[in-house]
Amino acid sequence: GAVVSQHPSWVICKSGTSVKIECRSLDFQATTMFWYRQFPKQSLMLMATSNEGSKATYEQGVEKDKFLINHASLTLSTLTVTSAHPEDSSFYICSANSLSSYEQYFGPGTRLTVT
Amino acid sequence: LAKTTQPISMDSYEGQEVNITCSHNNIATNDYITWYQQFPSQGPRFIIQGYKTKVTNEVASLFIPADRKSSTLSLPRVSLSDTAVYYCLVGERDNYGQNFVFGPGTRLSVLP
Repeated sequence: GAVVSQHPSWVICKSGTSVKIECRSLDFQATTMFWYRQFPKQSLMLMATSNEGSKATYEQGVEKDKFLINHASLTLSTLTVTSAHPEDSSFYICSANSLSSYEQYFGPGTRLTVT
Repeated sequence: LAKTTQPISMDSYEGQEVNITCSHNNIATNDYITWYQQFPSQGPRFIIQGYKTKVTNEVASLFIPADRKSSTLSLPRVSLSDTAVYYCLVGERDNYGQNFVFGPGTRLSVLP
């Protein structure tokens, strides 16, 4: 099946710094990718929808200036957490749609810890 | 987007068949039903998808009644490794693919 990768798998950063997370569809093209956040023992929460070549659509309550999303190609979307704070510590998961099979494939996730 | 309701948790024993039912009373005509499995610190993994009646693959079956207001995921002969959270999702397969609203899911514990 289709594979979505994320890099890095985990990252620790200091408060106030920025962190970039990459999401790649390895063997298919994805015009749309989604970014989710998951806190411990909780469900996934959709943060934004990333469309190739256009601006991302953010869910209500998600700060677009803090969570910068770039979808520059059909296989890569990036999420940058700017001026990170400890409350941004979470598990970030991306997903991509395969239009040929109508399935949504999820990446393995990135564990972000802000100290 | 249709809201889904599932049991918060279920317990089972190895070798048993497990059925997890999901309610989606306001499912739309173009909505499909998809189930995902998630292990701790991993992304969700696709299990099965269906529109109506019954769908079966190598790992599970999905039963959808005629009114489509509910669906049941059936896992045959579960093992300890099936302990995970299972999410029932409903969404439309439009030109942009599916965007899901995740509920709390069902935490399945398989006991020896």
